[in-house]
Amino acid sequence: ETGVTQTPRHLVMGMTNKKSLKCEQHLGHNAMYWYKQSAKKPLELMFVYSLEERVENNSVPSRFSPECPNSSHLFLHLHTLQPEDSALYLCASSQTLRGESKNIQYFGAGTRLSVL
Amino acid sequence: AQTVTQSQPEMSVQEAETVTLSCTYDTSESDYYLFWYKQPPSRQMILVIRQEAYKQQNATENRFSVNFQKAAKSFSLKISDSQLGDAAMYFCAYGGGYTDKLIFGTGTRLQVFP
Repeated sequence: ETGVTQTPRHLVMGMTNKKSLKCEQHLGHNAMYWYKQSAKKPLELMFVYSLEERVENNSVPSRFSPECPNSSHLFLHLHTLQPEDSALYLCASSQTLRGESKNIQYFGAGTRLSVL
Repeated sequence: AQTVTQSQPEMSVQEAETVTLSCTYDTSESDYYLFWYKQPPSRQMILVIRQEAYKQQNATENRFSVNFQKAAKSFSLKISDSQLGDAAMYFCAYGGGYTDKLIFGTGTRLQVFP
C-alpha cells in the first residue's frame, strides 16, 4: 500500500454516461495528479493540482473534468467519453516544494476504464 | 522538450541472475531527477530508485542499482539476484528541477524465470 487509494478499480460505461473516479491520499501531501496509461504508450499527465489549485492541464478534452475539493481528495468527472478513452487512469500524490519534482510521486492502483 | 526512451519492450532473466534495463533521456536542463518505477500486475506503481543529477555517485537500493551517465544521458537499472517478485513493468521517468511534472518512458516488461 502506498497511501493512495483509487475507486472504483474497474469501470465500464457507455458513451452517454456520466461517472466519476475518486482518489484519496493519506500521506499529508499537497499535490495530486491524474495520469492516463494506455497500452504501449508512455504515461500521459492529464492534470496537476498543487495546494488545491490546478497548475497544469495538458490539453485534455473537456469531457474530462477534474475536481480537487481539498488536499486529500481528487476526482475525475467523466462525461460523453469515446472508446479511445478506455485506459488505466492513475492518481498520484507528492509533497511538492515550490513546484520541484524531486519529491517522489506515490501512485494509486488505478481505475481500469472501458468505454463501450 | 524532454523525452525518455526505453528501447527494450521486454526482457527476461533467470532467478538469481542479474539483468540491466536501459533508459536514455534528452534534456537541456542541468538540474533534474531520474526515477525507476515498478508496476506489478496489481497495477500499483512503486518507486524503485531515484537519482539526483547533481550527484555523481550512482544510487543503490538493496538489489537495485543504477548506472547514471550524465554526459551520455543514460540511466540504466541493474537488478541483482533477481527474484520472481521482480517480474513487472519497469518505467524510467524524468523530473525537471522546477516542475511537478514527470515524463515517463514506454516501459520494459521484465519476466523472471525459475
